[in-house]
Amino acid sequence: KNQVEQSPQSLIILEGKNCTLQCNYTVSPFSNLRWYKQDTGRGPVSLTIMTFSENTKSNGRYTATLDADTKQSSLHITASQLSDSASYICVVSARTSYGKLTFGQGTILTVHP
Amino acid sequence: ETGVTQSPTHLIKTRGQQVTLRCSSQSGHNTVSWYQQALGQGPQFIFQYYREEENGRGNFPPRFSGLQFPNYSSELNVNALELDDSALYLCASSPGTGGGGYGYTFGSGTRLTVV
Repeated sequence: KNQVEQSPQSLIILEGKNCTLQCNYTVSPFSNLRWYKQDTGRGPVSLTIMTFSENTKSNGRYTATLDADTKQSSLHITASQLSDSASYICVVSARTSYGKLTFGQGTILTVHP
Repeated sequence: ETGVTQSPTHLIKTRGQQVTLRCSSQSGHNTVSWYQQALGQGPQFIFQYYREEENGRGNFPPRFSGLQFPNYSSELNVNALELDDSALYLCASSPGTGGGGYGYTFGSGTRLTVV
């Protein structure tokens, strides 16, 4: 069964600090992995997308890494801002005839001033 | 270029009723997929439509059905609503079948509450 597990479930940090979110997956055959940011009651917004051959990708203060051998990914946020408070969801796509996405349960990040 | 739009944004229904949710895909996208997101959970795949035909389905009962129209917009219909159907329903569009998982754009969702 395809699964995506994220840790921690929730995280509280002070504004300006860095943090790292983790994602482990068992999706096969693997196509790509993406990180989304989801504000409460809103749809997810894509931050990064990585294929099998990519092991790091940055988008401003967000840097994602991928280890396809261990099936692990991380999202590193530097110099956090209050607006970073949201749920961060790891999503893995299988290389099937249709692009079914498997979502993690998300990590809820709260940034305090 | 317009994004994915969903309507309505919020909806309250009574148990046993039927509901129709709507989604307009992003310009140039011919595939629409629907997801159910319960509070505090990640989205769960319901089904996907490509060129007006369902081409993938998650673990949801037949009372969850859908349509895709020639302009690639889509509807999600849920019959005999249950309290557990209360959730945020997300629509995503993509170019092609999304077999590589690329290019998904999500709408802001419809918050359905069943009482």
